[in-house]
Order: sequence, then structure tokens, then C-alpha cells
Amino acid sequence: AQKITQTQPGMFVQEKEAVTLDCTYDTSDQSYGLFWYKQPSSGEMIFLIYQGSYDEQNATEGRYSLNFQKARKSANLVISASQLGDSAMYFCAMREGRDSGAGSYQLTFGKGTKLSVIP
Amino acid sequence: DSGVTQTPKHLITATGQRVTLRCSPRSGDLSVYWYQQSLDQGLQFLIQYYNGEERAKGNILERFSAQQFPDLHSELNLSSLELGDSALYFCASSGGSGLSTDTQYFGPGTRLTVL
Repeated sequence: AQKITQTQPGMFVQEKEAVTLDCTYDTSDQSYGLFWYKQPSSGEMIFLIYQGSYDEQNATEGRYSLNFQKARKSANLVISASQLGDSAMYFCAMREGRDSGAGSYQLTFGKGTKLSVIP
Repeated sequence: DSGVTQTPKHLITATGQRVTLRCSPRSGDLSVYWYQQSLDQGLQFLIQYYNGEERAKGNILERFSAQQFPDLHSELNLSSLELGDSALYFCASSGGSGLSTDTQYFGPGTRLTVL
């Protein structure tokens, strides 16, 4: 089973509208972290937002917010007031494991969602 | 700018050759990760180093190897290259605190083309 599932290969949104990118995850760990990255056409991976499994409040970073529903194992990214520069691939990623100071901290990525913002 | 640097940006080589990709982590970060991004496999974790020591291995081929030097920069060596090794190779770094909040910041990547 895939650990990170992004079911929307591509999405369109009108400029200035809000958009939600879906992400579901699968883990048996109690402690984990969820991340969203943006990859523009230029190729770099840009960190957007983080949500910890123990965080009670949804994470927000400027126009980005993370709709975290732990029981449903979903961590959807919400982008408000879309801009043309938001057109990019968006990847959801998970880091599993206890906060122990040891072990591997690798990220497992979903396949991504390509967002296109229409003027 | 994430603070992570990677060289070269582009690399074109022939099958059977060997190449070295270089990464300098953000100042103060102890962990370096290597990822491969290809069209068919997506983004895959290859290997992690923490303060000079190998910490974890992912889907890394035996033809590939890496190391982290005392100044914390890292090199990924790819040998006996095949057409299927063509991909974007990312280096990422983090503080290595062990906390799930430990965010990985990615370099700009090295695009490898094997002809």
C-alpha cells in the first residue's frame, strides 16, 4: 500500500480563488510529520508547511494552511487567494518515526498534484 | 534560496561512465539526504548521512555510493551509468535533531542525462 496518496494528478483554479490539494497517508506510527513541498517548472523543491501528528491546531503559513484530519489520515493543503505564481507541482510527504534523536528521518513522497492557476 | 547548494546543475554523460554530484548543506545542518526524482519512480529516498556517518539507506543501487566529509558536504557517486539513471538528483539537509519537526530543505538539484 502506498504511504502517501495524492489522488489529483492535475487541478485548475481561477486566480484569486482558493484551492484544496488532497493528501492521505498511511502509517502505524503515533509520532510522524507531514510536509508539503512546491516544485515549480524550474525544478527546485520549496518547503511550504509542516504538521506534526501531535499538533492539535492546523498549521498555517501565510496563504497556505493544512487541513489535518487525523482520524481520516488526511492532510490536505489549502491555498487561499491563488496567484499565477502558484502554478507548480505540489508534493505531500511524510516522515515517520519517534522523536528519538536516532533513526532515519527520510521523507516518503506522494506522486504530486500539478496545479494550474488560470488568469 | 534554501541555503543548500548542489553542483553541477546539469550533467550529460555516456553509459558506463562515472559521475560525482556534490552537495553543501545549510550552515549548521548535520544531516544530508539524497533523493532521486524520475518520471517513472517519482521522488525516492536514496541515502542519509548524519555528521559524517551513514544513517539510513533507501532504494539506492549498489552502483551508487555516497559519503559525507568532515566539513559536512556530501558527494553522491554514480558509476556504470545506465540510461535509466537519467533523473533529477536532490540533496536535502536538516538539523538532524531527531524531532518530527525537523524540516528538510532541498537544494536546486542536479539534472543527470545519460546518453
